[in-house]
Amino acid sequence: DAKTTQPNSMESNEEEPVHLPCNHSTISGTDYIHWYRQLPSQGPEYVIHGLTSNVNNRMASLAIAEDRKSSTLILHRATLRDAAVYYCILRDNAGNNRKLIWGLGTSLAVNP
Amino acid sequence: DTGVSQNPRHKITKRGQNVTFRCDPISEHNRLYWYRQTLGQGPEFLTYFQNEAQLEKSRLLSDRFSAERPKGSFSTLEIQRTEQGDSAMYLCASSRTGGSKNIQYFGAGTRLSVL
Repeated sequence: DAKTTQPNSMESNEEEPVHLPCNHSTISGTDYIHWYRQLPSQGPEYVIHGLTSNVNNRMASLAIAEDRKSSTLILHRATLRDAAVYYCILRDNAGNNRKLIWGLGTSLAVNP
Repeated sequence: DTGVSQNPRHKITKRGQNVTFRCDPISEHNRLYWYRQTLGQGPEFLTYFQNEAQLEKSRLLSDRFSAERPKGSFSTLEIQRTEQGDSAMYLCASSRTGGSKNIQYFGAGTRLSVL
């Protein structure tokens, strides 16, 4: 399974943008890039996913490098409720592999 | 859509006892997953069902662990002869075939403490 590398922790101020990086240098052509987050004492929550093009949804934006070896999750205006662990996951869309392989994620602290 | 429901939320047991957890997935989701998460780590895959068929099991799922999904709806995860190392958060997720790139929806988890 392809692996991802993320910083252990990051800090942001409320209402400022946050850029959460992820390196995935061994990504294959059929791997989708998924981001989930986990708030304290809760189960993980889907944030966004993409393959090659940048993606936007109501929660965040995903910027994918042209060579796909890295990506960045962008929270446009951080709120206190965005304090969570953010996981970058590669999901192989080929074959029958359906499980998600998780790393340690980035713990985001948001200062008021 | 009431989301993925897990019961109980917390379970404290003594070493050697058996425990069973239940997961009710989102109603139209035919895929169901179990993960285990220990403090400071990301979730680890345990097993996956499509309808009632258990299609994949992790090597983490020792002989003491068994999961079922008898009618393709809810699922149970049983741990026999619990050990202190089984203490963790057990997470259930569901998704649907053809859904957008297998987005998984998670329950709040069952936290197991083995004394």
